[in-house]
Amino acid sequence: ETAVFQTPNYHVTQVGNEVSFNCKQTLGHDTMYWYKQDSKKLLKIMFSYNNKQLIVNETVPRRFSPQSSDKAHLNLRIKSVEPEDSAVYLCASSYENTLYFGAGTRLSVL
Amino acid sequence: GEQVEQLPSILRVQEGSSASINCSYEDSASNYFPWYKQEPGENPKLIIDIRSNMERKQIQELIVLLDKKAKRFSLHITDTQPGDSAMYFCAASENYNQGKLIFGQGTKLSIKP
Repeated sequence: ETAVFQTPNYHVTQVGNEVSFNCKQTLGHDTMYWYKQDSKKLLKIMFSYNNKQLIVNETVPRRFSPQSSDKAHLNLRIKSVEPEDSAVYLCASSYENTLYFGAGTRLSVL
Repeated sequence: GEQVEQLPSILRVQEGSSASINCSYEDSASNYFPWYKQEPGENPKLIIDIRSNMERKQIQELIVLLDKKAKRFSLHITDTQPGDSAMYFCAASENYNQGKLIFGQGTKLSIKP
């Protein structure tokens, strides 16, 4: 049962372009996240929002910026992508520390 | 901040035997330790977790052990089946309600028929 929806599923772009990924959760959770999973399957937290407020901001390049309009939505914008940004970006929401991941957005930077 | 080390990175076991994955953490304030399973092409899903007030927890064929003194925890899968083949991630959280999970590097488990 999918309750964390991410769009797009895939995105191919060129170095220097701007991309935006969308995430919506229908679970009624207060907290949402963006995780990055690289080609080696390493999962790293990027951002965490609780009720539209940023609560975790890991050391990520400044070209990454999260955007939250309400507690059900958390988007991610990458301004001027770099080759090392190629990865799967996983959105998640949580309840009592259990993460519910979306299907991910696979970004390929050429 | 917290760091979680996970070993082995690759594990191959015979069907029906047991598989064990070990993790260690650094921050003694961590008090929540979940395990996630990620099948090929799928997103990670929680399979079992343990809190710092417990030393052992079992759900069917999954057993997790926690040694707070050594800052280690482990996942044991008994009687492995082909469906157990997947990536497994351990994680630690320093605040149960904060939700900031730090993941280990992952273990690719393959079950040989």
